Amino acid sequence: EPEVTQTPSHQVTQMGQEVILRCVPISNHLYFYWYRQILGQKVEFLVSFYNNEISEKSEIFDDQFSVERPDGSNFTLKIRSTKLEDSAMYFCASKDQPGTAGNTIYFGEGSWLTVV
Amino acid sequence: AQSVAQPEDQVNVAEGNPLTVKCTYSVSGNPYLFWYVQYPNRGLQFLLKYITGDNLVKGSYGFEAEFNKSQTSFHLKKPSALVSDSALYFCAVRDKAAGNKLTFGGGTRVLVKP
Repeated sequence: EPEVTQTPSHQVTQMGQEVILRCVPISNHLYFYWYRQILGQKVEFLVSFYNNEISEKSEIFDDQFSVERPDGSNFTLKIRSTKLEDSAMYFCASKDQPGTAGNTIYFGEGSWLTVV
Repeated sequence: AQSVAQPEDQVNVAEGNPLTVKCTYSVSGNPYLFWYVQYPNRGLQFLLKYITGDNLVKGSYGFEAEFNKSQTSFHLKKPSALVSDSALYFCAVRDKAAGNKLTFGGGTRVLVKP
């Protein structure tokens, strides 16, 4: 089964530092997402990305966050000036053609970010 | 707005017994419903989905779920639970009218005892 891969699996960073989380979506997928899960809480939508631009974002996804697809395979989430409350598991996900009803969104294993 | 409720934080069941994990949803349009499972220290793994057609959908590992439009529910079931089914289960909904994002429920921890 095709997979979404994420790196790093775990990162510890000091408060105020910048972090980049990387994802390789499934190869023929066109729609990409970032979600996060704070420990013990529900999985929350951050942002979706299609055709090299953000298609939708949540209130959580403020100016501290940015996404980029720097080449044909990677999809990154950058968190600037990290705060303690940014500590969470960050999931990348992807889906194939947009607009096709019900296409499954596949998730990666997650990147666990700890801000100290 | 779309939302999902999983009323039980945890479900305990003995191995071999039937397992049910409850989910209700709210959307303004037609719902696309999904179940995902998260094993310890792992990502979200797709189990099954309802798009249209038969209300009973079958998925991976012997799981199935029944879509009930009148009750706005999509309960996950397995006739005979295994210890290895112990995990965190998430119900999710996507309303086509609300874009392509999934909205998740709070999750239900399933503990299957030998």
